[in-house]
Amino acid sequence: KNQVEQSPQSLIILEGKNCTLQCNYTVSPFSNLRWYKQDTGRGPVSLTIMTFSENTKSNGRYTATLDADTKQSSLHITASQLSDSASYICVVSENSGGYQKVTFGTGTKLQVIP
Amino acid sequence: GAGVSQSPSNKVTEKGKDVELRCDPISGHTALYWYRQSLGQGLEFLIYFQGNSAPDKSGLPSDRFSAERTGGSVSTLTIQRTQQEDSAVYLCASSLAPTGTGNNEQFFGPGTRLTVL
Repeated sequence: KNQVEQSPQSLIILEGKNCTLQCNYTVSPFSNLRWYKQDTGRGPVSLTIMTFSENTKSNGRYTATLDADTKQSSLHITASQLSDSASYICVVSENSGGYQKVTFGTGTKLQVIP
Repeated sequence: GAGVSQSPSNKVTEKGKDVELRCDPISGHTALYWYRQSLGQGLEFLIYFQGNSAPDKSGLPSDRFSAERTGGSVSTLTIQRTQQEDSAVYLCASSLAPTGTGNNEQFFGPGTRLTVL
């Protein structure tokens, strides 16, 4: 069964600090991996996408890495801001019967405090 | 509107009643997905539409759940004889196409919060 596991489950950091969120997956055959940000009471919004051949992808203060060999990804947030408080969800797509079935991780809930 | 919209935003119903949740995807998006998110949990896939057909409905938890899509656009998720365990946020997403790498980004609506008393 395809799985996506994220750690930590929750995290509290001081404003201005950096943090790294982890994602391990067993999805196969792999197509791509996305990190989504979900603010409270809203739907998830895509931050980055990486395919098999990409090792790193940045979007402002967010940098995602991918190691397709070990099936691990990380999301690094630099100089955190209060607005970064949200759940971060790792989503892995597979090629399945003509469409890309996606598996969602349970997310890491990040709280940035002043 | 430019984004995915869902209605109602909140729905409170009594156990045993039927409910209908609506999703308006982004215009031109052929793929549409329904998910359920229970409090503090990850997203649970329910059903996927490509056009008006549903090639993957493997996530529907029971025969009380059904969904349809008409005109390749609006979709309705129906829950019959609601139970308290159906209480959750129901999220709809659409994507330009189901295959490919850059164009399978799913754009999510704000969700419908369903509370079954």
